[in-house]
Amino acid sequence: DAGVTQSPTHLIKTRGQQVTLRCSPKSGHDTVSWYQQALGQGPQFIFQYYEEEERQRGNFPDRFSGHQFPNYSSELNVNALLLGDSPLYLCASSPPLAGASRETQYFGPGTRLLVL
Amino acid sequence: SQQGEEDPQALSIQEGENATMNCSYKTSINNLQWYRQNSGRGLVHLILIRSNEREKHSGRLRVTLDTSKKSSSLLITASRAADTASYFCATAATGTASKLTFGTGTRLQVTL
Repeated sequence: DAGVTQSPTHLIKTRGQQVTLRCSPKSGHDTVSWYQQALGQGPQFIFQYYEEEERQRGNFPDRFSGHQFPNYSSELNVNALLLGDSPLYLCASSPPLAGASRETQYFGPGTRLLVL
Repeated sequence: SQQGEEDPQALSIQEGENATMNCSYKTSINNLQWYRQNSGRGLVHLILIRSNEREKHSGRLRVTLDTSKKSSSLLITASRAADTASYFCATAATGTASKLTFGTGTRLQVTL
């Protein structure tokens, strides 16, 4: 049973460019969340997708956008990259639970972005 | 923004000793979870404790939750070198299903 996968594992971009990161959730999971983690800090919630719609959003500007596809995979897009956009980007998926919150999240290995 | 703080920020112990990490948070929660992260890679879920629970065990892990003090502790007994990692607590606030708010983490080093 494959876990959460993310691509690419590493990426180098220059300031002002746009980047797309990809995530495939664990088999059977329908909800995908994205987090940004700066060095030495805990992950910070960016947004969450369920049924192909953004359901919740953290305190991130509109430069950060996403998409979820019918197969539950997801993309994170960041426009107009800034030097501060260089942290680790983590994707997490959670299973469908009837009538309850999707409590436990399963994380992928992350994408390390370097903005020069 | 971070929900809370872990304490201590760093902990160094010898193999076989117990490790205790504490977490404080700010808002009402549905549940509190602990995750482990090795070398800046993906997080691994360790244990979840619900707001109406006070203590939970899983293998060598023991988690307590005190909602009146808005705090939790994670105890790892008989630590091993493989336990070396960063440990984060994460809370799911009431009414915000599955959005996790992480603390700042405790870096645990277990030496032989």
